[in-house]
Amino acid sequence: DAKTTQPTSMDCAEGRAANLPCNHSTISGNEYVYWYRQIHSQGPQYIIHGLKNNETNEMASLIITEDRKSSTLILPHATLRDTAVYYCIVVAYSGAGSYQLTFGKGTKLSVIP
Amino acid sequence: DGGITQSPKYLFRKEGQNVTLSCEQNLNHDAMYWYRQDPGQGLRLIYYSQIVNDFQKGDIAEGYSVSREKKESFPLTVTSAQKNPTAFYLCASSPRGAYEQYFGPGTRLTVT
Repeated sequence: DAKTTQPTSMDCAEGRAANLPCNHSTISGNEYVYWYRQIHSQGPQYIIHGLKNNETNEMASLIITEDRKSSTLILPHATLRDTAVYYCIVVAYSGAGSYQLTFGKGTKLSVIP
Repeated sequence: DGGITQSPKYLFRKEGQNVTLSCEQNLNHDAMYWYRQDPGQGLRLIYYSQIVNDFQKGDIAEGYSVSREKKESFPLTVTSAQKNPTAFYLCASSPRGAYEQYFGPGTRLTVT
């Protein structure tokens, strides 16, 4: 899997949009960009994923650059409960029924009241 | 409730003892996974299983063993051969063809 680079930590004011960047300059054409988050001492939670188009769901939006070398996860109105470590992961999905996630250290997002 | 359960939440063992961590899911998922997380680090894959009676090694399988006799269950045994067993262990599952993995609450193992 391609490696990703994320800032170690970020702060965001409560109610404002949180924009979390991720660089994946060596991503291959068949690799997806996934985002998970992990609240302290809990299991990770899936947020969103995309291949090349921008995606939006009830939790977040994912913006992928046209060259696919970077992406940004956007939490539109951050709350204190969004304080967590956010992981950007690049995955090649073979369609064989399972796939491996390789988690880096992620970005520690702190939402400030 | 549907979901993944891991028990116990905290586990303490003496060095040299084998210990088995439980992972059960009632989501009817085909694939199951075991990850290890050390303080301040990301998750690393230990073993995964796509179907019953089949499993593959992940990145750090040495010192661990698994079984998949039932679709719902994927227990992990931490053997005495694992040199640094103290860690947070997470189990996950996913349905066939799905893009997301669902994680359990984790078991924090401390070996002294």
